[in-house]
Amino acid sequence: ETGVTQSPTHLIKTRGQQVTLRCSSQSGHNTVSWYQQALGQGPQFIFQYYREEENGRGNFPPRFSGLQFPNYSSELNVNALELDDSALYLCASSTRTEGTGELFFGEGSRLTVL
Amino acid sequence: AQSVTQPDIHITVSEGASLELRCNYSYGATPYLFWYVQSPGQGLQLLLKYFSGDTLVQGIKGFEAEFKRSQSSFNLRKPSVHWSDAAEYFCAVGSWAAGNKLTFGGGTRVLVKP
Repeated sequence: ETGVTQSPTHLIKTRGQQVTLRCSSQSGHNTVSWYQQALGQGPQFIFQYYREEENGRGNFPPRFSGLQFPNYSSELNVNALELDDSALYLCASSTRTEGTGELFFGEGSRLTVL
Repeated sequence: AQSVTQPDIHITVSEGASLELRCNYSYGATPYLFWYVQSPGQGLQLLLKYFSGDTLVQGIKGFEAEFKRSQSSFNLRKPSVHWSDAAEYFCAVGSWAAGNKLTFGGGTRVLVKP
């Protein structure tokens, strides 16, 4: 089965710019979640998409937004970038079947904001 | 609010010695519990998971974990550590009722001495 793939793997932006990160979910998975992992910390939940609708959001401002497409792939958009947005952004796919709640993670997109 | 605490930020262990990583959680609903491992620059790989049933869970790479509801703990163990086990380990909690959104601990970095 195809795993979770993310692009780009690394990118550098400057403060105030906008960025789009992409994620292809694992085959058969209909739910995509995004996490932010700052250096030396555990991942923090940004939001989740299920059937193209946002299905829960963590403590992140509205300049973090997302999309899910009919093929279940997803984008994370961040506007007005700040220095603190520098982090590894992880995408994870899963199904919504009870008892199968594990997330399958991609390798992440490392964003550096200068 | 849910939370996960990993009390040990760093652990150094000799190759061949046993390893135990601690995890305590606070969660209102019946939790799903997970241990993930992250090698430098990589995404997260699932080691094992607990949903229900037997409280001693076996995972990949020779790891096991024990769920103790009375102590709100889910400690990870390995009887004999290999140099390739050097990585960062994250405990996470979630639930199907919460749409499988995970809350992660801050991680424990494991260093393996030859």
